[in-house]
Amino acid sequence: NAGVTQTPKFQVLKTGQSMTLQCAQDMNHNSMYWYRQDPGMGLRLIYYSASEGTTDKGEVPNGYNVSRLNKREFSLRLESAAPSQTSVYFCASSGDRDTEAFFGQGTRLTVV
Amino acid sequence: AQSVAQPEDQVNVAEGNPLTVKCTYSVSGNPYLFWYVQYPNRGLQFLLKYITGDNLVKGSYGFEAEFNKSQTSFHLKKPSALVSDSALYFCAVRDSPSGSARQLTFGSGTQLTVLP
Repeated sequence: NAGVTQTPKFQVLKTGQSMTLQCAQDMNHNSMYWYRQDPGMGLRLIYYSASEGTTDKGEVPNGYNVSRLNKREFSLRLESAAPSQTSVYFCASSGDRDTEAFFGQGTRLTVV
Repeated sequence: AQSVAQPEDQVNVAEGNPLTVKCTYSVSGNPYLFWYVQYPNRGLQFLLKYITGDNLVKGSYGFEAEFNKSQTSFHLKKPSALVSDSALYFCAVRDSPSGSARQLTFGSGTQLTVLP
C-alpha cells in the first residue's frame, strides 16, 4: 500500500525554468492538496481539489498551476520558477471531511 | 476564515517529564482538529484527531489531546516524554463547509526537543 507518492524527491531549477511535480494516491480519496513548507512558516496551502475535475486556490497560489488529472493524480506546475519558490512541497489526500490527511514524502525544490 | 495558532516555536522538556504542546484555533462552525508530527526529512504523520464526542482524545505513541471548546484550544500532551519524541509538531483544523470547499489549515509548528 503506497499511500501518497510524490516525484521527484529533489530538484534544482534555474530561474525561469518550468517543471511539474507529480502526485498520486491509491486510497480512493476525493480531496487532494498541495502545500509548501518554509522554515518558521509551517505549511501553507497552494491549491486543493475537492473532487475530480475541480480545483481551488489556497493561501499562496501565485506562480503555480494545478491539474486534477483523474481521481488518483494531482499535479503542480511551476511555469517560470523563481528563487522565492525554493521550498519543500508536500502533496496530501483525504477522504470525507472528518478523516485525517495522508502526506507524501515531499519534494525539495531549489531555484537558483 | 479559519486559523490555527501554535504560540510556542520551541518546547524543551526533560526525558520522563510530562510534555504539552499548545494549539488554539478559530473556525466559524464545528472544528475538526488534528495533530501531526514531522521527523527530519520526512512527510507529516498523523497522530490523533478530534471530530466529536469525548474531549480527551488518545492517539499514537502515547500522545493525547484535550479539546476545550470554551478556550478554543486543542493542546497535545504526553505523560512521560521520550528522546525519540523530538520532532516538529503541527496542529491543524478543518471547517464545516457548506459547499464543496474542504481545506486543512495548519499552524506554524512547534519544535519539541526532549533532553536526555
